[in-house]
Amino acid sequence: DSGVTQTPKHLITATGQRVTLRCSPRSGDLSVYWYQQSLDQGLQFLIQYYNGEERAKGNILERFSAQQFPDLHSELNLSSLELGDSALYFCASSTSTGKGEKLFFGSGTQLSVL
Amino acid sequence: GESVGLHLPTLSVQEGDNSIINCAYSNSASDYFIWYKQESGKGPQFIIDIRSNMDKRQGQRVTVLLNKTVKHLSLQIAATQPGDSAVYFCAEWLSNIPTFGRGTSLIVHP
Repeated sequence: DSGVTQTPKHLITATGQRVTLRCSPRSGDLSVYWYQQSLDQGLQFLIQYYNGEERAKGNILERFSAQQFPDLHSELNLSSLELGDSALYFCASSTSTGKGEKLFFGSGTQLSVL
Repeated sequence: GESVGLHLPTLSVQEGDNSIINCAYSNSASDYFIWYKQESGKGPQFIIDIRSNMDKRQGQRVTVLLNKTVKHLSLQIAATQPGDSAVYFCAEWLSNIPTFGRGTSLIVHP
């Protein structure tokens, strides 16, 4: 068990809908990362937060947004969902930020857009 | 599991054999590399890391080799066990975010 908790484990929704994925980092970790894992793209970095502030942005669509709350949990919001958004979404956390930080991953949220 | 259906290179080995998983990285300026293991239904898990000032690093049953000349990493697993069956990812750090490769699926036959 990595200590990172993601909910829900599975989410089935329809095109055009909006969903929220939740992540609780390991106790004491200040940094949260979101990754998307799809069949043809592997693990793609979306966004990183550190102590409540956005630190880095990857190939995150404008329809997607995230935030990290004062208690350090994070939410990834996906709106106007399309079939191609179906993927496994991972959250990871690390103690701090910067090169060499060990990322601890949650078990992911499997999103199916029908 | 989630790895089924992923369009990944696959390595099949017999239990007890040594496995070598290869990874090419993209940026010659990358100076820190990590290998992760992802078992079915789970998130990636850290295995071993190596900095660019090293060519080789050993862990428990695993060895990572780094060839900076050709931008190539390999993960060697000694005496592969069925529990080693998973998808293995290499990741390179150039900036402050690790960039993952597409992964290799390792299948260990008893």
